[in-house]
Amino acid sequence: QSALTQPASVSGSPGQSITISCTGTNSDVGGYNSVSWFQQHPGKVPKLIIYDVSNRPSGVPDRFSGSKSGNTASLTISGLQAEDEADYYCNSYRTSSTYVFGTGTKVTVL
Amino acid sequence: QEQLVQSGAEPKKPGASVKVSCEASASIFTTYYIHWVRQAPGRGLEWVGTIYPTGDGPSYAQKFQGRVAMTRDTSLSTVYMDLSSLRSEDTAVYYCAAAPSGTGRFDYWGQGTLVTVSS
Repeated sequence: QSALTQPASVSGSPGQSITISCTGTNSDVGGYNSVSWFQQHPGKVPKLIIYDVSNRPSGVPDRFSGSKSGNTASLTISGLQAEDEADYYCNSYRTSSTYVFGTGTKVTVL
Repeated sequence: QEQLVQSGAEPKKPGASVKVSCEASASIFTTYYIHWVRQAPGRGLEWVGTIYPTGDGPSYAQKFQGRVAMTRDTSLSTVYMDLSSLRSEDTAVYYCAAAPSGTGRFDYWGQGTLVTVSS
């Protein structure tokens, strides 16, 4: 069972927009609208920022947005801020009542 | 207040077993699936499995089939993860996380339990 594929790193300047991709297969990302995204700062517990492809939990800024096309989901951070520097992970339901995480992306704010 | 509270750090020898507990607040225990996720030092998140505390049986990632068991104690609102035949590669922080039925919406997370496997 292989992890979903994410770029190892993405960077941007404050105020810019960046997009992180999450590529899977028809058995996970492409087959279900159950994609979530998590933000993790060093030494901290992961935090849910997007669920069901494009929904934000209360309290998450609207500069975080999610989408999906085919077997690839995407997380966009608009108006990048210093506190957005963290690791980001996607997660998807996969057939047979299992879930799978992405490989993770380190976001650097220049 | 919704929360998940995990047991403390566990040092283990190769070949041993470890049992990590996750106590859930009542509102979580009765309505959420409890998932277990691990993170090796400097590595990414890895889904281990899930259990519905008051209903359906567990579901495990294929990688851990035969080595992991997730159980529940309704009287204590606690879920347990047993991992056997430990090897050094199992050294990681193990998190429990709660999500509504049938979703990957991991709303709540425990504080994490460090399991260290070393001879």
